[in-house]
Amino acid sequence: SQQGEEDPQALSIQEGENATMNCSYKTSINNLQWYRQNSGRGLVHLILIRSNEREKHSGRLRVTLDTSKKSSSLLITASRAADTASYFCATGPRANAGGTSYGKLTFGQGTILTVHP
Amino acid sequence: DAGVIQSPRHEVTEMGQEVTLRCKPISGHNSLFWYRQTMMRGLELLIYFNNNVPIDDSGMPEDRFSAKMPNASFSTLKIQPSEPRDSAVYFCASNLGALNYGYTFGSGTRLTVV
Repeated sequence: SQQGEEDPQALSIQEGENATMNCSYKTSINNLQWYRQNSGRGLVHLILIRSNEREKHSGRLRVTLDTSKKSSSLLITASRAADTASYFCATGPRANAGGTSYGKLTFGQGTILTVHP
Repeated sequence: DAGVIQSPRHEVTEMGQEVTLRCKPISGHNSLFWYRQTMMRGLELLIYFNNNVPIDDSGMPEDRFSAKMPNASFSTLKIQPSEPRDSAVYFCASNLGALNYGYTFGSGTRLTVV
């Protein structure tokens, strides 16, 4: 079963508008990550937010995390046609006793974003 | 760094044939993951290795699937015999094997079993 569930499943906007995608998850996490996938390509890591962080920025990206609600959002500001892609949230593994990661990165079903020029 | 390298990019095979997918992770990355992506099931983790040792293969669909990592720079995913329902895009990803690092994905192998 999927750990993360994105909402909406599809989003269509005009260039210059902001795009907001949401992700909900079920179990406790160490971090939450967002990835982008262009059609026919592999996934590209965008941003990682740790469980003790509430907000993080990277360029035009803003990610929030609410661990009490088990939810995250990805905001893309001033969208461009090149932002057209599928966006996935993924929940990261909990730390093991050695402090290294042996866990799985579990992905949601993704949000398909289309930005019209 | 050339990133995670997968081969082949596309594979078309007949049902019953053996298929071998290959992956070269990023040098220095200690963890390697095999994922499968389909429209119906999304991204599924099949197996992952840490320091060349398989840690969790609970996602491997059945005995027809096997994966190896003989050294830090190479891994294979084998399907024998292949079936049409195995058609999917198979991704390999690697990671530093430490907390709070993102994963680097390869471009994937699109497998079609006819």
